[in-house]
Amino acid sequence: GQQVMQIPQYQHVQEGEDFTTYCNSSTTLSNIQWYKQRPGGHPVFLIQLVKSGEVKKQKRLTFQFGEAKKNSSLHITATQTTDVGTYFCAGKYWGAGNQFYFGTGTSLTVIP
Amino acid sequence: SQTIHQWPATLVQPVGSPLSLECTVEGTSNPNLYWYRQAAGRGLQLLFYSVGIGQISSEVPQNLSASRPQDRQFILSSKKLLLSDSGFYLCASGLGGKIYFGEGSWLTVV
Repeated sequence: GQQVMQIPQYQHVQEGEDFTTYCNSSTTLSNIQWYKQRPGGHPVFLIQLVKSGEVKKQKRLTFQFGEAKKNSSLHITATQTTDVGTYFCAGKYWGAGNQFYFGTGTSLTVIP
Repeated sequence: SQTIHQWPATLVQPVGSPLSLECTVEGTSNPNLYWYRQAAGRGLQLLFYSVGIGQISSEVPQNLSASRPQDRQFILSSKKLLLSDSGFYLCASGLGGKIYFGEGSWLTVV
């Protein structure tokens, strides 16, 4: 099946430092979504990107969709302890119906 | 929005025993339904998805099966569990392009 690669797998940052996670697909995506899973919880939808080169912001979070629609990134500015969790991207492919293929996730630890 | 009910929340099953995880959805009709598995420290693997009653698509070969007997009911089953089936199973529903997840079921096969 389709696969979305995500790096890094783990990231430890000092509170106040920035954080970025990257997703890559070998095949063009129709859209990409980002989810956050708090420890012990279930993934929760954050945002969806559809257009080539699209950039969206949610407070300290910046989401970007690559020009070729094969990669995406999530950047958190000045991390806080509330940012702890695993961040997943989920890609949707043309002609693949309504399936979303999740990346492997990046587990973020914020050290106070 | 919608609410996903999933049970049981946790279970410990011996190797070779059967499995049944159940999921129901509130707040929408004819949703797309999904079963994902999250192994410890790993990402979300799509196991099955369904676009309607009796319509199941499998993403990976395995000893698991899924059924959708009613519009808002999705069941994950196995006749004989393997150790490798241990993990966190998430039922999800798609609405408006977003995916809503249930609380998940922790399965430990011993």
